[in-house]
Amino acid sequence: GENVEQHPSTLSVQEGDSAVIKCTYSDSASNYFPWYKQELGKGPQLIIDIRSNVGEKKDQRIAVTLNKTAKHFSLHITETQPEDSAVYFCAASDTGGFKTIFGAGTRLFVKA
Amino acid sequence: EAQVTQNPRYLITVTGKKLTVTCSQNMNHEYMSWYRQDPGLGLRQIYYSMNVEVTDKGDVPEGYKVSRKEKRNFPLILESPSPNQTSLYFCASSPQGALNTEAFFGQGTRLTVV
Repeated sequence: GENVEQHPSTLSVQEGDSAVIKCTYSDSASNYFPWYKQELGKGPQLIIDIRSNVGEKKDQRIAVTLNKTAKHFSLHITETQPEDSAVYFCAASDTGGFKTIFGAGTRLFVKA
Repeated sequence: EAQVTQNPRYLITVTGKKLTVTCSQNMNHEYMSWYRQDPGLGLRQIYYSMNVEVTDKGDVPEGYKVSRKEKRNFPLILESPSPNQTSLYFCASSPQGALNTEAFFGQGTRLTVV
C-alpha cells in the first residue's frame, strides 16, 4: 500500500543552526503535502503545507520543498530556537483529500 | 474558540469491555477522521467521514466502528477492546472534504487496555 517514509527519526541541533527533515512518498497521485508539529501532550498542528503545483514554499524560518519527479519533499527550519523542539510529521494526501498517510515522525531537539 | 474536543483524555479499561471515545468540533467542518499514534509508526488513519452518514475505512479499521449522525460529532467505538488497541488516539476535522486542507486535531485520548 501507499506509504510515507520520514528521516531522520531523531535530530539534535544547536540553537541557531538549521534543521532538515526529509520525506518520500509512494503514491504518485498524492498532491497535498502538509507538515505538522506536535508538542508534548498536544495534538499535531499544521505549520506549513505545499501542493503539487508548487516546488517551494516559505513562511518566515520554515520552508518546504517538493520534488514530484523523485517523490520527495523536505522541511527546512532555519535559525532554530529551543521552542522548535517537538515531533514533526510529514504527510501526503491522495487526490480526493480523504486519505492522509503520515510519516513516522522526527523528534527534533534544539539545544540552547 | 474553534476547537476539536475529545473525551476522555485518559482511559484505562479491561479487555472486552465496550467503550466509546467522543469527538466534537465547533467549526462546522464536513470532514472528520480518527487516527491512532504509536511509537515509530506515526499517525495511522482508522476511519474518516466526508459528511453526515458518510464514513469509510482508513488504513487500520479492524476492531473499530464509527458513526456520523450529526455534523459536529464523530465518536469512535471499540466494541471489544484488546490490548493491541492500547494507543494514543486523535480526532481531526477539516473544513472541506473534497479539497486538501489543514486538519485540526483534538488533544488526544490515551487508551490503555489491560
